[in-house]
Amino acid sequence: GAVVSQHPSWVICKSGTSVKIECRSLDFQATTMFWYRQFPKQSLMLMATSNEGSKATYEQGVEKDKFLINHASLTLSTLTVTSAHPEDSSFYICSAKRGQGPNQPQHFGDGTRLSIL
Amino acid sequence: AQTVTQSQPEMSVQEAETVTLSCTYDTSESDYYLFWYKQPPSRQMILVIRQEAYKQQNATENRFSVNFQKAAKSFSLKISDSQLGDAAMYFCAYRSWAGGTSYGKLTFGQGTILTVHP
Repeated sequence: GAVVSQHPSWVICKSGTSVKIECRSLDFQATTMFWYRQFPKQSLMLMATSNEGSKATYEQGVEKDKFLINHASLTLSTLTVTSAHPEDSSFYICSAKRGQGPNQPQHFGDGTRLSIL
Repeated sequence: AQTVTQSQPEMSVQEAETVTLSCTYDTSESDYYLFWYKQPPSRQMILVIRQEAYKQQNATENRFSVNFQKAAKSFSLKISDSQLGDAAMYFCAYRSWAGGTSYGKLTFGQGTILTVHP
């Protein structure tokens, strides 16, 4: 079964609203979670790295005030797209790293399809 | 910064035949991981195979095997006895061994869309 749960799987909302996406590790503690964005038939682009109890590390070019990331517990990270506009429409995928060591695997959520009207 | 390049946007193969997907990468690190992920139309990311850079032996998982050439920075995926269910987008990915604030992050290639013909 899935070890990382991402919710919602699909959301449609009006331009100007904020949307929150949740990423939960179901049976392990994830000190580090990652948020990716993917356009159709393109690669996954890392947006930010979320570390429990500290501020997220954003990749160059990603607007911190637009994409708010909170990692309040060892099993939950959230991505909030603030004042969403049609250009924010995309597929967002989270992943969670099990454990601290370099050999630990990374598990992906099933993704969230975000459509802004 | 590390980069991963997949030069084949699309590939096709006949069912039961063998296909090889190419991947090259650039890094100054000596220790790292390389992965192949499969993304079917459902868009779920599925780990196909993993290779540790310090291992000389090529990884194998059933019908999937890699040709890891560390000096050439090449990491190709061979799919033997292709099945219809193998049709998907395949991504090559790099992960550093080293620590840091983005410890464990994956750098993906552009992807290769694989079509399997019956």
